[in-house]
Amino acid sequence: DSGVTQTPKHLITATGQRVTLRCSPRSGDLSVYWYQQSLDQGLQFLIQYYNGEERAKGNILERFSAQQFPDLHSELNLSSLELGDSALYFCASSVGSSSGLYNEQFFGPGTRLTVL
Amino acid sequence: ILNVEQSPQSLHVQEGDSTNFTCSFPSSNFYALHWYRWETAKSPEALFVMTLNGDEKKKGRISATLNTKEGYSYLYIKGSQPEDSATYLCASWLDRDDKIIFGKGTRLHILP
Repeated sequence: DSGVTQTPKHLITATGQRVTLRCSPRSGDLSVYWYQQSLDQGLQFLIQYYNGEERAKGNILERFSAQQFPDLHSELNLSSLELGDSALYFCASSVGSSSGLYNEQFFGPGTRLTVL
Repeated sequence: ILNVEQSPQSLHVQEGDSTNFTCSFPSSNFYALHWYRWETAKSPEALFVMTLNGDEKKKGRISATLNTKEGYSYLYIKGSQPEDSATYLCASWLDRDDKIIFGKGTRLHILP
């Protein structure tokens, strides 16, 4: 158990809908990262937040957004869902500095999103 | 295009044998490299964080080396055990904006 929690574990929804994925980092970790794992792709970095502020952006679509709240939990919002958004979404957290370069990341169990 | 490549894609190794595999990255853009172990139906677990040329890390039977000049890292597993069966991922930061790029992994199967 990494100490990172994600809810829900599974989510099934229809095209065009909007969903919110939630992540609680390990106690004391200030950085949260979101990743997407699709069947035909490797792990794709979406976005990083550090202490409530957006820190780095990867291949995140405009239909997706995220935020980190004062209690450091984070939410990933996916809207106007398409079939291709079906994937496993991981959240990870790391300690300390704003840069994730030098810190281990601890991954949550993931949320499996299925868009029908 | 900045890319992180891992080879081989898949590997079958007899229990007790040692093995190694490679992560290649653009040597001109390097800041850090992470290795992860990813078991089926679980989430990735951090193994090593490597930052300096010549960096070597070890954790039990698993070790890693880093060559930033030529753009590769090796992961070594000594005396493979069934519990080593997993996908091993590497991830590199290829610019200061902390854009993390993952390789597609090496799937390791340990044969009894």
